[in-house]
Amino acid sequence: GESVGLHLPTLSVQEGDNSIINCAYSNSASDYFIWYKQESGKGPQFIIDIRSNMDKRQGQRVTVLLNKTVKHLSLQIAATQPGDSAVYFCAENIGRGSYIPTFGRGTSLIVHP
Amino acid sequence: EAQVTQNPRYLITVTGKKLTVTCSQNMNHEYMSWYRQDPGLGLRQIYYSMNVEVTDKGDVPEGYKVSRKEKRNFPLILESPSPNQTSLYFCASSLYGGQGNEKLFFGSGTQLSVL
Repeated sequence: GESVGLHLPTLSVQEGDNSIINCAYSNSASDYFIWYKQESGKGPQFIIDIRSNMDKRQGQRVTVLLNKTVKHLSLQIAATQPGDSAVYFCAENIGRGSYIPTFGRGTSLIVHP
Repeated sequence: EAQVTQNPRYLITVTGKKLTVTCSQNMNHEYMSWYRQDPGLGLRQIYYSMNVEVTDKGDVPEGYKVSRKEKRNFPLILESPSPNQTSLYFCASSLYGGQGNEKLFFGSGTQLSVL
């Protein structure tokens, strides 16, 4: 079936570096994508979203890029901080009238001081 | 404070003993859902509810029940828990899930162990 996946399960960076977390999706009908951050012992927290009619969206220190041609989504975190250490999930959703988002397995981001 | 509240935070039970995990949101959201999170598998949806008295199966509904008698509450019921239901459970809500384009607000999770 259709699925959302991540290229790297663990990403280690130095504080101050930029981080890039990737996500591949296979369902071309997906039209809404979200990145969530999950810190240890907590529930996922919304970071940023993007609709399929966009290819880039920026937030505070985060940018999401969507490449529909190759079905690829990425999350860029600028000037990564120790507080950014967490597991990051991408999620996709399709259609109207139901909401069963599909989540990737997650990438663990480790920020070294 | 806007939030999704789950209880209990941790639960240890034995096979076959019925249990309920409660979920409540104070944001007047129409949409609520339950997920389980297992290592290597990510978040998988169990059940969701588009509004009061409207519930539907997600990807992994077997062994679970839900009800939505009030807008704010969406309890998850395990009538006869089994060890393969040992997992971390999350409740989530969004304003109008039917649009399919909204962020979810998650609770803090319930770690369930079935012995």
